[in-house]
Amino acid sequence: DAGITQSPRHKVTETGTPVTLRCHQTENHRYMYWYRQDPGHGLRLIHYSYGVKDTDKGEVSDGYSVSRSKTEDFLLTLESATSSQTSVYFCATAVGTNEKLFFGSGTQLSVL
Amino acid sequence: QKEVEQDPGPLSVPEGAIVSLNCTYSNSAFQYFMWYRQYSRKGPELLMYTYSSGNKEDGRFTAQVDKSSKYISLFIRDSQPSDSATYLCATLFESGSARQLTFGSGTQLTVLP
Repeated sequence: DAGITQSPRHKVTETGTPVTLRCHQTENHRYMYWYRQDPGHGLRLIHYSYGVKDTDKGEVSDGYSVSRSKTEDFLLTLESATSSQTSVYFCATAVGTNEKLFFGSGTQLSVL
Repeated sequence: QKEVEQDPGPLSVPEGAIVSLNCTYSNSAFQYFMWYRQYSRKGPELLMYTYSSGNKEDGRFTAQVDKSSKYISLFIRDSQPSDSATYLCATLFESGSARQLTFGSGTQLTVLP
């Protein structure tokens, strides 16, 4: 798992509440990514980071924000969770831009 | 139309069979092609990575890319029950600061003992 830890592994929350998912890596990889995985859609990029405090949007970034204050931590925040954000969220890291990604084990998020 | 299309299956084969998994893509600018394997309740892991047309072999796995027809394949020889997983193809386009990595939706494979 390339030293990637996601927390929590499972979370159930209510619509309208804020939620923060954490990704922690021990490999000192420069690039970190947040994906969501939904049936029929595969993996879709939410946000990514190319360094401390350097982040950018992916294809499905609406309703999500991220922060990276340390190389090892990448946080994904749902400011006000909606049922459409029920999904499995994966964090990934990469040494460079050649996109050989290493994935964490995922967080199952249910928004009721 | 999705940029990367992949038959979701499910695909079920007997142990020892040759498995063929396929994807098509629409953007001829895609340069790199990957296959990821994902076990149930786990994150995807990189299986094969190639950047040119032709075949790349790694043990029982062969990745094949045909850029002229925009077709990507993964062949698994002598399939084993431990190969049961979801297989995702992915394509990458890079140009300067622009980068686009696109995943297929995955094909679920079961190898029966």
